[in-house]
Amino acid sequence: GNSVTQMEGPVTLSEEAFLTINCTYTATGYPSLFWYVQYPGEGLQLLLKATKADDKGSNKGFEATYRKETTSFHLEKGSVQVSDSAVYFCAQVGYQGGKLIFGQGTELSVKP
Amino acid sequence: DSGVTQTPKHLITATGQRVTLRCSPRSGDLSVYWYQQSLDQGLQFLIHYYNGEERAKGNILERFSAQQFPDLHSELNLSSLELGDSALYFCASSVPGREQYFGPGTRLTVT
Repeated sequence: GNSVTQMEGPVTLSEEAFLTINCTYTATGYPSLFWYVQYPGEGLQLLLKATKADDKGSNKGFEATYRKETTSFHLEKGSVQVSDSAVYFCAQVGYQGGKLIFGQGTELSVKP
Repeated sequence: DSGVTQTPKHLITATGQRVTLRCSPRSGDLSVYWYQQSLDQGLQFLIHYYNGEERAKGNILERFSAQQFPDLHSELNLSSLELGDSALYFCASSVPGREQYFGPGTRLTVT
């Protein structure tokens, strides 16, 4: 069945470091891909999305490119801030919509 | 603020009891989804309603049920509660084929 696999956390970085969180997926057809972020004690917020191959989603300095050939959607940010500390979830949904399938989440901690 | 509201924010109850969680979707969204977030299972899809009708079921226990009302708000009913039902319950809403927006969640603690 369809699935999403994320790199394990927690990830600890110093402020202004480069961030990569790996995400790969298995799917039949061509899903839409998402990154959601969950700050401590809060719900999930949509961070960015991509709906077809080679699309790049971007928001708040974060980027991810939909790579069909490697079935990946890695999250990157050039310079992280303490305020980026959160749990990041990669997710997919089939082209017809419906349920989100989430990865296990990656906890990011940014130290000053 | 996503525009999706959930009540209550916290719920503490005893084993064997029944609770109702409420969700109001964003204005204009006909789809409501329920998810459970727990430490051991991660984020799991429970059920999807579209304009009052059940569209899909995921890993939802028989003790759990849901419905979507004519005004599009949705309720998730959890009965015969067990310790293992303690989790965060999220609802999300969307228009067909578009991204889902999540509410702040209801934290259920079963003692």
